[in-house]
Amino acid sequence: DGGITQSPKYLFRKEGQNVTLSCEQNLNHDAMYWYRQDPGQGLRLIYYSQIVNDFQKGDIAEGYSVSREKKESFPLTVTSAQKNPTAFYLCASSPLDRDNYGYTFGSGTRLTVV
Amino acid sequence: AQSVSQHNHHVILSEAASLELGCNYSYGGTVNLFWYVQYPGQHLQLLLKYFSGDPLVKGIKGFEAEFIKSKFSFNLRKPSVQWSDTAEYFCALLTGGGNKLTFGTGTQLKVEL
Repeated sequence: DGGITQSPKYLFRKEGQNVTLSCEQNLNHDAMYWYRQDPGQGLRLIYYSQIVNDFQKGDIAEGYSVSREKKESFPLTVTSAQKNPTAFYLCASSPLDRDNYGYTFGSGTRLTVV
Repeated sequence: AQSVSQHNHHVILSEAASLELGCNYSYGGTVNLFWYVQYPGQHLQLLLKYFSGDPLVKGIKGFEAEFIKSKFSFNLRKPSVQWSDTAEYFCALLTGGGNKLTFGTGTQLKVEL
């Protein structure tokens, strides 16, 4: 079955450490996205990528970094510069053609800074 | 910049009641609109989307939404809710030249037996 796999499901990090969240898709979608979900704030866009080796900042990119070396993979690194990293992180992908546009989401990674 | 507003943050209904969740957007040009649902413990999934044509869009599980351009709205409706509709619902906007979705803050729906 095609879909998006996010790992791990739960992640604990000590303050001051960087951590990388994995996102892999086998849907052959061109675009991939990272959102952060906090209670009462909906989904806020961190980074997105429409093509390999290219990505753009979203609304809350500070303290995060990404790479897109392969079409299938879009890992997100939460750096020690992110002041409030404890959150639920969602990865999504979509075809870019308008007729089929629409996100498929992964199951998310819950990051807790301890 | 575009934005999406969902004014109902928490809604509690009894089974068989009718549902209408509000969604208003701010953008002056062409838009595409989406409703996503997140059931407890599950990933977000698409309920329905509007791209063009008939402004009344039907989705999965008996949900529908109506795009009213003059009101900048895309409200979600269901004539008779079930306990299994308990979930969080998100409205999202794609602008005409855009390539990413802007989400509202979500509405938590609880359906009581």
